Amino acid sequence: ETGVTQSPTHLIKTRGQQVTLRCSSQSGHNTVSWYQQALGQGPQFIFQYYREEENGRGNFPPRFSGLQFPNYSSELNVNALELDDSALYLCASSDRTARYGTGELFFGEGSRLTVL
Amino acid sequence: QKEVEQNSGPLSVPEGAIASLNCTYSDRGSQSFFWYRQYSGKSPELIMFIYSNGDKEDGRFTAQLNKASQYVSLLIRDSQPSDSATYLCAVGGWTGFQKLVFGTGTRLLVSP
Repeated sequence: ETGVTQSPTHLIKTRGQQVTLRCSSQSGHNTVSWYQQALGQGPQFIFQYYREEENGRGNFPPRFSGLQFPNYSSELNVNALELDDSALYLCASSDRTARYGTGELFFGEGSRLTVL
Repeated sequence: QKEVEQNSGPLSVPEGAIASLNCTYSDRGSQSFFWYRQYSGKSPELIMFIYSNGDKEDGRFTAQLNKASQYVSLLIRDSQPSDSATYLCAVGGWTGFQKLVFGTGTRLLVSP
């Protein structure tokens, strides 16, 4: 049990719609990262949040946005969905302030998004 | 050129054999290296991390790092059918709290 929970686990949207994915980080973790994993590919970094601010962003357009709340939970929002957005969206939490932190990411089980 | 390259496999080994998984990376500034295991339909699970050149052993797993050659490997001794999964190599900065760049993964099949 990783302690990172994501919702919903599966969802289907149509092109042009908007989606919000949610993540509750593991207790004690203050950093949340989001990754997109297309079928047959490795996870790709979308962005990271620390202290409610975006702290690094991958090569994703502005229609991918996020939030981190005071309790360290997080949301990923995707506007104007495209077919290529179909993927497994992974949330990962970590403790940025751990003195000897390994940077170990604890992944949730993911939200599988299908865009039709 | 991909930032992190892995052979997609499948790599097939018999039960009890040593499985050798390889990864190369392009960013010479990379400092942290991770191996994740991902079962079909599940999320990645960290099995090893390494920061320094050389070998690091943990149970049946050994990670090997050669920064000069920009090469990371994972050896799995006494492979079990339960080891059958996709193994993802990931590369990061000093702490790993920066973004991780993942390879596409190598699928390992261990036959009984």
